[in-house]
Amino acid sequence: GQQLNQSPQSMFIQEGEDVSMNCTSSSIFNTWLWYKQEPGEGPVLLIALYKAGELTSNGRLTAQFGITRKDSFLNISASIPSDVGIYFCAGQRGRAGGGADGLTFGKGTHLIIQP
Amino acid sequence: DSGVTQTPKHLITATGQRVTLRCSPRSGDLSVYWYQQSLDQGLQFLIQYYNGEERAKGNILERFSAQQFPDLHSELNLSSLELGDSALYFCASSPRTGAYEAFFGQGTRLTVV
Repeated sequence: GQQLNQSPQSMFIQEGEDVSMNCTSSSIFNTWLWYKQEPGEGPVLLIALYKAGELTSNGRLTAQFGITRKDSFLNISASIPSDVGIYFCAGQRGRAGGGADGLTFGKGTHLIIQP
Repeated sequence: DSGVTQTPKHLITATGQRVTLRCSPRSGDLSVYWYQQSLDQGLQFLIQYYNGEERAKGNILERFSAQQFPDLHSELNLSSLELGDSALYFCASSPRTGAYEAFFGQGTRLTVV
């Protein structure tokens, strides 16, 4: 199945640094989402984006829905140790409010924070 | 706690066998989604049910099937198991058909030996 191209694959950063990761696709998606997964857990939704160009924040996290609808970005400001985990982007082609469609996931960005 | 319950948490079985994974969605959620997560393929959408009926199919093998019961719980049946079927299987649920609203369970780790 199609996958989203997510980069970087992993990041080793110092506590307090800002983090940026992105996701691109050759196809258009109508909804973009960002998830975080920790060991032994299922993915947890962080941010959902429904409109091209939309910029949405959730605490120290900010995500953008690319204007072409083929990409999305996630930024984490002032990273802290509990930000460690794997971050996944996901896209859905179905329109908000209707249409059945599963999510297409990127392969994840593994975030490691050095104190 | 997402409110989605999956059982069992771990399952070890032999090649050629058949297993059933169970999912109880969040209270009131009508949609159930099944995903497979493996190291090489990542997270892959398998199938969606909405209020008892199949709504969407992803990369689900013919050896795999699912159903959603009147009480809205769902089961994923995996048969003629192969070593490559070893993976984490996640169930997610949402109140409507939009997968963007879905909350994931903790998964079932299947090991085929």
